[in-house]
Amino acid sequence: DAGVIQSPRHEVTEMGQEVTLRCKPISGHNSLFWYRQTMMRGLELLIYFNNNVPIDDSGMPEDRFSAKMPNASFSTLKIQPSEPRDSAVYFCASSLGQGQETQYFGPGTRLLVL
Amino acid sequence: QQQVKQSPQSLIVQKGGIPIINCAYENTAFDYFPWYQQFPGKGPALLIAIRPDVSEKKEGRFTISFNKSAKQFSLHIMDSQPGDSATYFCAAEVGGSYIPTFGRGTSLIVHP
Repeated sequence: DAGVIQSPRHEVTEMGQEVTLRCKPISGHNSLFWYRQTMMRGLELLIYFNNNVPIDDSGMPEDRFSAKMPNASFSTLKIQPSEPRDSAVYFCASSLGQGQETQYFGPGTRLLVL
Repeated sequence: QQQVKQSPQSLIVQKGGIPIINCAYENTAFDYFPWYQQFPGKGPALLIAIRPDVSEKKEGRFTISFNKSAKQFSLHIMDSQPGDSATYFCAAEVGGSYIPTFGRGTSLIVHP
């Protein structure tokens, strides 16, 4: 298996623009997580899906952020409008969905909002 | 609210040294404690994990020590190598929650 796939790997955009990050989880995994990593705040969980259904989105910072999982093999995280403080590395991770198990992280998307 | 406190924030050791990273938690419902290793430009990857029914777990040069009464756990890296230079995250998870709570991370540098 290729592991968790994220695209793009790098994104540079201007403030106010819409940004869409994409994730393909490992086949057969039922849980998908979106994280944000910054020097100031470390690794933060933004949202968690189980069987394509959002279970916990309490970490989504504000209404500018939205996430979808239309099917078991694809998820998106959208920021609209983007702001400089959104600059971070965004990780997608997936797991089997049985609890207390390994999370497999993708390589991340490094986002810079100018 | 930081439920898992990790220290130190950064650590520098010489090759062959034994870096120790400590984590403390408050929620007694946590019952699964994984450690993740992250190399620059990569996503975190599971290194080793422990459950509170054991006090120590070893995998190669990596050892987790767990003190349930003190609500603390730590990672020891024996005979550290420059290739161990990475950021290490401890985490804790409540049974059935599916969601780990991560510590802030420790940046480890092992000098040759």
